[in-house]
Amino acid sequence: AQSVAQPEDQVNVAEGNPLTVKCTYSVSGNPYLFWYVQYPNRGLQFLLKYITGDNLVKGSYGFEAEFNKSQTSFHLKKPSALVSDSALYFCAVDILTGGGNKLTFGTGTQLKVEL
Amino acid sequence: NAGVTQTPKFQVLKTGQSMTLQCAQDMNHEYMSWYRQDPGMGLRLIHYSVGAGITDQGEVPNGYNVSRSTTEDFPLRLLSAAPSQTSVYFCASSPRQSLSGNTIYFGEGSWLTVV
Repeated sequence: AQSVAQPEDQVNVAEGNPLTVKCTYSVSGNPYLFWYVQYPNRGLQFLLKYITGDNLVKGSYGFEAEFNKSQTSFHLKKPSALVSDSALYFCAVDILTGGGNKLTFGTGTQLKVEL
Repeated sequence: NAGVTQTPKFQVLKTGQSMTLQCAQDMNHEYMSWYRQDPGMGLRLIHYSVGAGITDQGEVPNGYNVSRSTTEDFPLRLLSAAPSQTSVYFCASSPRQSLSGNTIYFGEGSWLTVV
């Protein structure tokens, strides 16, 4: 079975500082990894995904994530945080099963960016 | 572009009542799914469909039914609502799975309270 762990329920960072939101995964097979963001009372918005190729993936709003196969991690990063980045972030994993896309989500990390 | 549309956005039900959450997508996606979001548990897959006429169970299917009579629509039925079904429900869709990996698009969510 596939699983995702987001070890931090909340991450606090000052505006302008770099941010990291951690994610580790467990799958049998090649993982497809995703980051989604959820603003209050809204649906999930796609940020970025890793399929194959370059381990550093760039996505929306200046976010990037680094795939590390040996550590089974896919941490989300941004060089300079904004107050508007405050939201709930979900890491998710999928594998090519042929049975349809069935994402397994982490429990989410609340990011709070303060002035 | 409408994308994935869910209705209603908010609903209060009494225990034992039944209701249907509607989901429609206008992107001609073959895959559709329903997730529920609960605090501290991330999103969990309820049911999914890989095409019209084909549905299957996800991680937490009990108490829910689905059908897929058309490509566009994927309603979720609560047969006899229970307080444990108080949650936020998200419908999602994506194109047929490919080796490049597909982005999954989410609706805005339906907030359901069962009293």
